[in-house]
Amino acid sequence: DVKVTQSSRYLVKRTGEKVFLECVQDMDHENMFWYRQDPGLGLRLIYFSYDVKMKEKGDIPEGYSVSREKKERFSLILESASTNQTSMYLCASSLYTGGRFQPQHFGDGTRLSIL
Amino acid sequence: AQTVTQSQPEMSVQEAETVTLSCTYDTSESDYYLFWYKQPPSRQMILVIRQEAYKQQNATENRFSVNFQKAAKSFSLKISDSQLGDAAMYFCAYRRDFNTDKLIFGTGTRLQVFP
Repeated sequence: DVKVTQSSRYLVKRTGEKVFLECVQDMDHENMFWYRQDPGLGLRLIYFSYDVKMKEKGDIPEGYSVSREKKERFSLILESASTNQTSMYLCASSLYTGGRFQPQHFGDGTRLSIL
Repeated sequence: AQTVTQSQPEMSVQEAETVTLSCTYDTSESDYYLFWYKQPPSRQMILVIRQEAYKQQNATENRFSVNFQKAAKSFSLKISDSQLGDAAMYFCAYRRDFNTDKLIFGTGTRLQVFP
């Protein structure tokens, strides 16, 4: 089974701090994604990556950056955390095979509170 | 721009009964994928079922089936013989085929199952 591991289930940080959310997958997936989930808004894509050192903006990239130095690890960075970034963050990964993308597999999520 | 709409924020069903969750989407593409994901309380999001737009036959996975109406851009999920473990948030998602694995999610439907 695919395992997508997010480093923290719960995280509390202060406004202005630099925050790192880590995600690791163990199935050699090329594609990795960061979403944020808010009540009434569903999941919204922040950033995604199709390969090492490659990144593309999703629908709501403002205030975030990402890093993918190794294939299995995709980090989300809040350069200067703000209270409106309090949310649930979900990491996902997927495989491209047979000319098609396979379904995304999700981590357990990190509930981040910015005080 | 593609959009996904889930008009039912909450639904409830009695154990062993059948419930249908609705989803509509807007796209000008002819080839795409549609998904239903399930997110149990405090647990990982998992794929329930998927449908490829070029297939006319509705997808089925055990007690879960879809009613895919391409012309109407409708993709509803039917859960038969509902079980307590079906209680979760259900998200409908759209993925354009070919060059992208970007998912667009609906806002979700919270399903409660009563004994």
